[in-house]
Amino acid sequence: DAKTTQPTSMDCAEGRAANLPCNHSTISGNEYVYWYRQIHSQGPQYIIHGLKNNETNEMASLIITEDRKSSTLILPHATLRDTAVYYCIVRANTGTASKLTFGTGTRLQVTL
Amino acid sequence: EAQVTQNPRYLITVTGKKLTVTCSQNMNHEYMSWYRQDPGLGLRQIYYSMNVEVTDKGDVPEGYKVSRKEKRNFPLILESPSPNQTSLYFCASTFGPAYEQYFGPGTRLTVT
Repeated sequence: DAKTTQPTSMDCAEGRAANLPCNHSTISGNEYVYWYRQIHSQGPQYIIHGLKNNETNEMASLIITEDRKSSTLILPHATLRDTAVYYCIVRANTGTASKLTFGTGTRLQVTL
Repeated sequence: EAQVTQNPRYLITVTGKKLTVTCSQNMNHEYMSWYRQDPGLGLRQIYYSMNVEVTDKGDVPEGYKVSRKEKRNFPLILESPSPNQTSLYFCASTFGPAYEQYFGPGTRLTVT
């Protein structure tokens, strides 16, 4: 699975959009970009994933650059409950293993 | 409600005393995994299972055993716990590699 690079931490004001970047310059053609988050020490929570096209769901939007070497997770209206560590993970959707390789993620602090 | 449950949530034990952490999911998922999370090291996969009676090692399997006798349950067994197994443990399940993973709430284990 390709390696990812994320900023260690970010701040965002409540109500504003939080834009979390991720670099994955060695991504392969069959690898997807996944985002999970972990609030305090709870179990990680799936947010969104995509291959090439931008994706949106009720939680967030995922913007993937045309060369697929980087992506941005957007929380359109961040709230205090969005304070968490956000993990960008790149992996192929094939194979027999279901392993996710978590890096150190970005610690997002949403403030009043 | 779709969920992954783990028990116990907190456990303090002594070196060498066998213990089992249970994991159960109600989503009829084929795949289940165990991860451990340690400061600075992120989440690392211990063992995974692709179906009943099919298990395989993850990245850090030493000192652990698992079994998958029923689809919904995937217990983690520490035959002779040691202090270096003090960690936060998460169980996860999914339909397969192309699907999101659902994580349990975590088990905080301390071995003295």
